[in-house]
Amino acid sequence: EDKVVQSPLSLVVHEGDTVTLNCSYEVTNFRSLLWYKQEKKAPTFLFMLTSSGIEKKSGRLSSILDKKELFSILNITATQTGDSAVYLCAGTFTPTSGGSNYKLTFGKGTLLTVNP
Amino acid sequence: KAGVTQTPRYLIKTRGQQVTLSCSPISGHRSVSWYQQTPGQGLQFLFEYFSETQRNKGNFPGRFSGRQFSNSRSEMNVSTLELGDSALYLCASSGQGPPNYGYTFGSGTRLTVV
Repeated sequence: EDKVVQSPLSLVVHEGDTVTLNCSYEVTNFRSLLWYKQEKKAPTFLFMLTSSGIEKKSGRLSSILDKKELFSILNITATQTGDSAVYLCAGTFTPTSGGSNYKLTFGKGTLLTVNP
Repeated sequence: KAGVTQTPRYLIKTRGQQVTLSCSPISGHRSVSWYQQTPGQGLQFLFEYFSETQRNKGNFPGRFSGRQFSNSRSEMNVSTLELGDSALYLCASSGQGPPNYGYTFGSGTRLTVV
């Protein structure tokens, strides 16, 4: 069964700190790994990673995938109170028999709280 | 362009009743997926529809069903509601290709079963 595990489950930091969120996965016929930020209701897309070792970067956020060790990390530098949210990681796979790959297997998320 | 629209935003139902939730995808998106989010289990995949056909189904009982119309709008139905069905139900729509930034979530329907 496909499985995505995130750690830590929660994290409290002070503004300006750097944080690293972890995501390990076991997804049959792995295709991609996605990171989302969920503040209130709708998760918003951050990154999609398909190739090992290539860092994706957007402002203070960056992410990298290790397909050999089956994990990804999300880094946030110089954290701000607006970064407080649940960060979700999800894996997608290539189905071997019919269906489609429009199915995300999510981890339970990391609740990040950034205090001023 | 308009985002993914889910209605209603909030719903309170009694055990044993049934409920129908609606999702209107981004214009031009043909794939609609549904997810259930609870504090204990996180986000879990329910099913995915594309051009009115169910292509993927998660591990939920048959009380959970869905459909998609020719305009890509989708509904999901939960019959014989149980207290454990209380959750945030999210739908996501996607255009061409695998899930990526085009995989956009709606704000969800918060269902409370009492």
